[in-house]
Amino acid sequence: NAGVMQNPRHLVRRRGQEARLRCSPMKGHSHVYWYRQLPEEGLKFMVYLQKENIIDESGMPKERFSAEFPKEGPSILRIQQVVRGDSAAYFCASSTDRVDGYTFGSGTRLTVV
Amino acid sequence: KQEVTQIPAALSVPEGENLVLNCSFTDSAIYNLQWFRQDPGKGLTSLLLIQSSQREQTSGRLNASLDKSSGRSTLYIAASQPGDSATYLCAVRFQGAQKLVFGQGTRLTINP
Repeated sequence: NAGVMQNPRHLVRRRGQEARLRCSPMKGHSHVYWYRQLPEEGLKFMVYLQKENIIDESGMPKERFSAEFPKEGPSILRIQQVVRGDSAAYFCASSTDRVDGYTFGSGTRLTVV
Repeated sequence: KQEVTQIPAALSVPEGENLVLNCSFTDSAIYNLQWFRQDPGKGLTSLLLIQSSQREQTSGRLNASLDKSSGRSTLYIAASQPGDSATYLCAVRFQGAQKLVFGQGTRLTINP
């Protein structure tokens, strides 16, 4: 069991470019959550998805950010036209239907230059 | 508003000491509470999960307690070791929500 897999581990983008972050949940997990950790801050919830459905996106910025979890393949967090303030660590977590505890990936560290 | 607070923000103790990390939450209607460890530049490692019906959980030198009525949880680390140095995060899943609400963490340093 490989756990929650996130890639890339590190991503550098110039201002205005697009960033795509991928997350493959643990085997048997059908719920995916994205969190953002800004430098020297705690983790903040962004979005919760199940296969082909966004369940809760209350933590997502209104513009430039989107997420999907297609029927096949990993969940994708997409940030369009990145700005320096988007520089952060983005963590993905997954859980079973019982949501009995969460397993986190190692994160993607996005740097916008 | 449902919030989670951890104190202290940082703690430095000599090796071998027993220590307690504190977590408080604003709403007693919780589903479960989870303690994580985060090493610098790394991901989160789950340490202990306490369901709302439980009072405590133990794993090795770690013991986590839960008092819903007072909105508190503590993480007790016995016989601390330099390898315990990390940031410890408390996260609560409140009733009616699927997401976790995290505290700001306690950065622990164990001095040899």
